[in-house]
Amino acid sequence: KQEVTQIPAALSVPEGENLVLNCSFTDSAIYNLQWFRQDPGKGLTSLLLIQSSQREQTSGRLNASLDKSSGRSTLYIAASQPGDSATYLCAVHTTGHSNYQLIWGAGTKLIIKP
Amino acid sequence: KAGVTQTPRYLIKTRGQQVTLSCSPISGHRSVSWYQQTPGQGLQFLFEYFSETQRNKGNFPGRFSGRQFSNSRSEMNVSTLELGDSALYLCASTPGQPISYNEQFFGPGTRLTVL
Repeated sequence: KQEVTQIPAALSVPEGENLVLNCSFTDSAIYNLQWFRQDPGKGLTSLLLIQSSQREQTSGRLNASLDKSSGRSTLYIAASQPGDSATYLCAVHTTGHSNYQLIWGAGTKLIIKP
Repeated sequence: KAGVTQTPRYLIKTRGQQVTLSCSPISGHRSVSWYQQTPGQGLQFLFEYFSETQRNKGNFPGRFSGRQFSNSRSEMNVSTLELGDSALYLCASTPGQPISYNEQFFGPGTRLTVL
């Protein structure tokens, strides 16, 4: 059974710092992994999708990497800003005909202090 | 291109009632998935529809049901509401094929409160 873990659960850093959020999963048989952000009380915004054959994806100040063999992904945020404050979630898309679904981590709550 | 829309945005119901939530996917997307989000359980998968057929289902009781129409719009229904059904219900749309490409785009959610 696929399980997804995100560490740390919460993180508070001063503005301008570079930071790394971690996501680990127990079963390497995945189609892809997706990172989202969620603002309080709101829906989910897709940040990056990494397909299983890829090693990383970049969008602006965000870079996500994927190491399937070790069951790990990291989200790197460069030059953090107060607007980056949100909860960041990772989800893996599992393979298998009967398990076509996203399995979610519990999220990392990020606070960027001005 | 318009994003995923969900209606209504907020609902207040009492125990025992039933509720219907609606989701309109991104134009051209044929797959709609539904998720429940609560502070205690996090995000949990309810079910996924593709071309009007339920393709996968999570571990929720039969009180939770859904359907998809020919225009890909989807509805989910919860009957005999319980206090524990209070949650943010999110729907996500994807093209649906190929199955290995599944970038999901989410709507703003429907906040359901059961009193």
